[in-house]
Amino acid sequence: AQSVAQPEDQVNVAEGNPLTVKCTYSVSGNPYLFWYVQYPNRGLQFLLKYITGDNLVKGSYGFEAEFNKSQTSFHLKKPSALVSDSALYFCAVRDQGGNTPLVFGKGTRLSVIA
Amino acid sequence: GAVVSQHPSRVICKSGTSVKIECRSLDFQATTMFWYRQFPKQSLMLMATSNEGSKATYEQGVEKDKFLINHASLTLSTLTVTSAHPEDSSFYICSARDLRQTNTGELFFGEGSRLTVL
Repeated sequence: AQSVAQPEDQVNVAEGNPLTVKCTYSVSGNPYLFWYVQYPNRGLQFLLKYITGDNLVKGSYGFEAEFNKSQTSFHLKKPSALVSDSALYFCAVRDQGGNTPLVFGKGTRLSVIA
Repeated sequence: GAVVSQHPSRVICKSGTSVKIECRSLDFQATTMFWYRQFPKQSLMLMATSNEGSKATYEQGVEKDKFLINHASLTLSTLTVTSAHPEDSSFYICSARDLRQTNTGELFFGEGSRLTVL
């Protein structure tokens, strides 16, 4: 079975500082990994994905994530946080192959303080 | 990017009534759409997988007679909450996978529908 763990409910960071939102996963085969962001009362917006290839994936709004197979992690990072990055972030995984749904982590609320 | 339109964005209804939520893929075709439910400050819980032209597949614990799903075309899936009760109040989000990108797995999400049952 697929699962995703986001160990932090809340991450606080000062504007301009680097940020990291953690994610670890578990799948039976090779994973497809995703990060989505959600603003209040809105749907999810796609940030980035790892399918194959380079372990460092660059996405929207300056975010990036590094796929680490040995640690089964896919942490989201940004070199310099903005107040507008404050939102709820979800990591998601699905097993490669087949038309299976995404399984989401419980989400991490990021607060960037000016 | 691909756009998924969800309607209505907010709905308030009386207990016992039925509410229909539509999910449309605007610029792509989706043989599969997924319906999620999100409780306050919680993650998205998959309710069901909607397959065009066939019956939906429901997750364990989701009442299929309560949450009717119809996927009549490659661009439209509907979720009907029948005989709604206050405990059905939630944020419902649909998502769709581009028919051409099934193997890469990316989902495109609607804006969500907030249901409040009085």
